[in-house]
Amino acid sequence: GDSVTQMEGPVTLSEEAFLTINCTYTATGYPSLFWYVQYPGEGLQLLLKATKADDKGSNKGFEATYRKETTSFHLEKGSVQVSDSAVYFCALSQGWGGADGLTFGKGTHLIIQP
Amino acid sequence: NAGVTQTPKFQVLKTGQSMTLQCAQDMNHNSMYWYRQDPGMGLRLIYYSASEGTTDKGEVPNGYNVSRLNKREFSLRLESAAPSQTSVYFCASSEQVAGMSGQYFGPGTRLTVT
Repeated sequence: GDSVTQMEGPVTLSEEAFLTINCTYTATGYPSLFWYVQYPGEGLQLLLKATKADDKGSNKGFEATYRKETTSFHLEKGSVQVSDSAVYFCALSQGWGGADGLTFGKGTHLIIQP
Repeated sequence: NAGVTQTPKFQVLKTGQSMTLQCAQDMNHNSMYWYRQDPGMGLRLIYYSASEGTTDKGEVPNGYNVSRLNKREFSLRLESAAPSQTSVYFCASSEQVAGMSGQYFGPGTRLTVT
């Protein structure tokens, strides 16, 4: 079946550092790829998405590129802030007609220190 | 526009008790989902409803039942709670084709079974 693997944390960085959180996937067909963010005590929020190969999703300074050749969707940000501290989840969905839920990675806890 | 709402926010049950978790969305979405989140496991799909009148099992359906009451509401029932069902439960909704739009999550219900 489909699966998502992402680096486990916690990942601790200083403010203004460069961020990369790795995500790779195994899936049949052509899935859509997502990054979700979860702040303490809250539900998940969609951060960005990409629906086909070479698409780049971006939002709030974060970006990720759908790389089919390496089955990857790594999350990057050029300069992190303390407010970016959260748990980040990579996920996939089987695209067209696939209303059957998301497959999630285990999450990466990001801690940004001032 | 409240998005996805869940009740209750917290619940403690004794082994063998039953309860229903409620979920409602006001975005006119066709598809709704129930996930559970456990430490180090990410989110796992319990049940989903691709459209009103249909429900299907996800990855971990044992011990649960669901009802899609109407287009807005999707409830999750535990008939005989077990300690293994201690978890945080999230409801989500999406437009028909989940792969294209992503999912919108509620704030979660934290359930403890003693």
